[in-house]
Amino acid sequence: DQQVKQNSPSLSVQEGRISILNCDYTNSMFDYFLWYKKYPAEGPTFLISISSIKDKNEDGRFTVFLNKSAKHLSLHIVPSQPGDSAVYFCAASEAGEIIFGKGTRLHILP
Amino acid sequence: SQTIHQWPATLVQPVGSPLSLECTVEGTSNPNLYWYRQAAGRGLQLLFYSVGIGQISSEVPQNLSASRPQDRQFILSSKKLLLSDSGFYLCAWSLGGSYNEQFFGPGTRLTVL
Repeated sequence: DQQVKQNSPSLSVQEGRISILNCDYTNSMFDYFLWYKKYPAEGPTFLISISSIKDKNEDGRFTVFLNKSAKHLSLHIVPSQPGDSAVYFCAASEAGEIIFGKGTRLHILP
Repeated sequence: SQTIHQWPATLVQPVGSPLSLECTVEGTSNPNLYWYRQAAGRGLQLLFYSVGIGQISSEVPQNLSASRPQDRQFILSSKKLLLSDSGFYLCAWSLGGSYNEQFFGPGTRLTVL
């Protein structure tokens, strides 16, 4: 059973608008959450993270929101840019062990 | 600064042939090391992780094995490749202890024919 779920395999967003990527998890013991971005034929790169003691973390155009009661986190990208087109992996960690979701492919439309 | 290297970048191998993928990390000591596989539509699957030389933990039963002969070297191997071993293999490292961020290498695209 998947502990980290990204239910949208793909998402298309107009350039300049907000991109919202969603992630759900089942394990209430997860204490740290991360988002990675991956271009084709490259390794994922770390984007932003959030500790379970927070509900929001912002870094430039990227904001991650955590709703512990709903076991849900989301990544907001605003404004969306062409270079944001990539696969985004949500990941959750318990005691340092990281579990990844299957990823969401984001297409930024011109 | 820390860097992680993987080679080869791409590999085409026949079924039944052996495999050896190498990963090395520079600029840090005693890192945790990981091997992941990204197969089509299946996200990132953790295959092995290591917290020290000679210490290997396997996450899923499979046709592959891993070894860590040196502190910053992690090797993924197989004696006989299967068609299902095709995929994109990623090595990653993290600091030990409670640090959570993992940093990935460029990956190896393996095609088994």
